[in-house]
Amino acid sequence: GAVVSQHPSRVICKSGTSVKIECRSLDFQATTMFWYRQFPKQSLMLMATSNEGSKATYEQGVEKDKFLINHASLTLSTLTVTSAHPEDSSFYICSAQRGGGPDEKLFFGSGTQLSVL
Amino acid sequence: KQEVTQIPAALSVPEGENLVLNCSFTDSAIYNLQWFRQDPGKGLTSLLLIQSSQREQTSGRLNASLDKSSGRSTLYIAASQPGDSATYLCAVVLGGGNKLTFGTGTQLKVEL
Repeated sequence: GAVVSQHPSRVICKSGTSVKIECRSLDFQATTMFWYRQFPKQSLMLMATSNEGSKATYEQGVEKDKFLINHASLTLSTLTVTSAHPEDSSFYICSAQRGGGPDEKLFFGSGTQLSVL
Repeated sequence: KQEVTQIPAALSVPEGENLVLNCSFTDSAIYNLQWFRQDPGKGLTSLLLIQSSQREQTSGRLNASLDKSSGRSTLYIAASQPGDSATYLCAVVLGGGNKLTFGTGTQLKVEL
C-alpha cells in the first residue's frame, strides 16, 4: 500500500517557539492532504485541507495564522505551529489522497506528538 | 453538523470472543463510512470502507455493516486476538464532500 511519512514523530519545544511538521507521500502524488489534531482519549479533529499549489482551507475555529500550512509539491505538505503554547500540545496527524474525491483512499502518517513546555 | 458517536468507549474481552463495535451518525446523507484502527501513538490504518449504497463489507475476521437510514454501522470482529487490541474509529464522509468526520473511538483490549 501507499506510504505516508510524517516527521518528526515527537517534538518537545519551549513556549513561543515555532515547530514545523512534514508530511510526505513516498510512492504516490498527493493532490490533497489533510491535517488533524487529536487530544488524549479524543477523536481526530480536522484542522485544514490543503491542495497542491493553492491556499489551505481551514476548519472553523482553527487559526490560519497560527497553523501555517504549505503544500508546495505533490509529495510534501508542512504544518508549522507558530509561537507554540502549552495548549497547542497535541498529537498531529496528516493524511494524503491521490485525488480529491471521496472515493479516494486516505493514507495516514504515523503522527507527531507535540509537547510545549 | 454531523456528529459521530461510538459505543462502548472501551471494551475488554478474553481472547477468542466475538465482539461488536457500534457507530452512529446524526446526518444520514453520507457518501461512505470507514472503519479505522489506531495503535497507541500511531497513525490510522483503514480497515473497511462501505459506500452508502452498500450494506456490508468483509475482510478476513472483520465484517462491517451499514444501515444508512437509521444512521448506524457495526464492526464485527470474529475470534478476537491480543493483536486486535487498539482503538477503533469509524468515520463518515457526507455526500458532496471529501472530509472525514471521525467518531469518538472504542478502545479495545483483548486479553490472553
